[in-house]
Amino acid sequence: DGGITQSPKYLFRKEGQNVTLSCEQNLNHDAMYWYRQDPGQGLRLIYYSQIVNDFQKGDIAEGYSVSREKKESFPLTVTSAQKNPTAFYLCASRGTGGPYQETQYFGPGTRLLVL
Amino acid sequence: GENVEQHPSTLSVQEGDSAVIKCTYSDSASNYFPWYKQELGKGPQLIIDIRSNVGEKKDQRIAVTLNKTAKHFSLHITETQPEDSAVYFCAASLLNQGGKLIFGQGTELSVKP
Repeated sequence: DGGITQSPKYLFRKEGQNVTLSCEQNLNHDAMYWYRQDPGQGLRLIYYSQIVNDFQKGDIAEGYSVSREKKESFPLTVTSAQKNPTAFYLCASRGTGGPYQETQYFGPGTRLLVL
Repeated sequence: GENVEQHPSTLSVQEGDSAVIKCTYSDSASNYFPWYKQELGKGPQLIIDIRSNVGEKKDQRIAVTLNKTAKHFSLHITETQPEDSAVYFCAASLLNQGGKLIFGQGTELSVKP
């Protein structure tokens, strides 16, 4: 069963704590993305990676960090520097060859809540 | 950078009627325009997309039109059904900038039986 998995579904963060959201894909896609969605708003890009061991900041990267050590994995860490982390986090991936190279496929999301 | 505006923010129609959602974009170099449907608590699902070299694309009850001169594109859903109720997002992308998607604010569509 191919697709994108995100875990956990719900995550609770305490003050001053770093938390890591997992994103795994078995679609053999080169590019991966992290978006943040706030209630009633569109998605905003946090970070993206077009190839292993390389990534770029998106529009709202402050307070977040990522790594891309494996093609299938792109974890996102929400650091204590992110003062308003409560949101729905969505991971996506995109192939970079063939007729559907533009299409981004999304995972089911992780909802992060602050205690 | 690119900016995408989407209207209306909410749309209520009767079952069987048509629904139209409109988006405008600012960067004339954008060349790919997908539409996503998002149900409550789930990730967005691609429903249709269009490239800048095409003016219109249709898939059963769903169609998208693109006017490059005016920099706007629209989603048309005909014969709406209650299961079409969801939030719909338009987006614009420029592949040579990493394929980043810039999203509109979303339209909450409600189809009343």
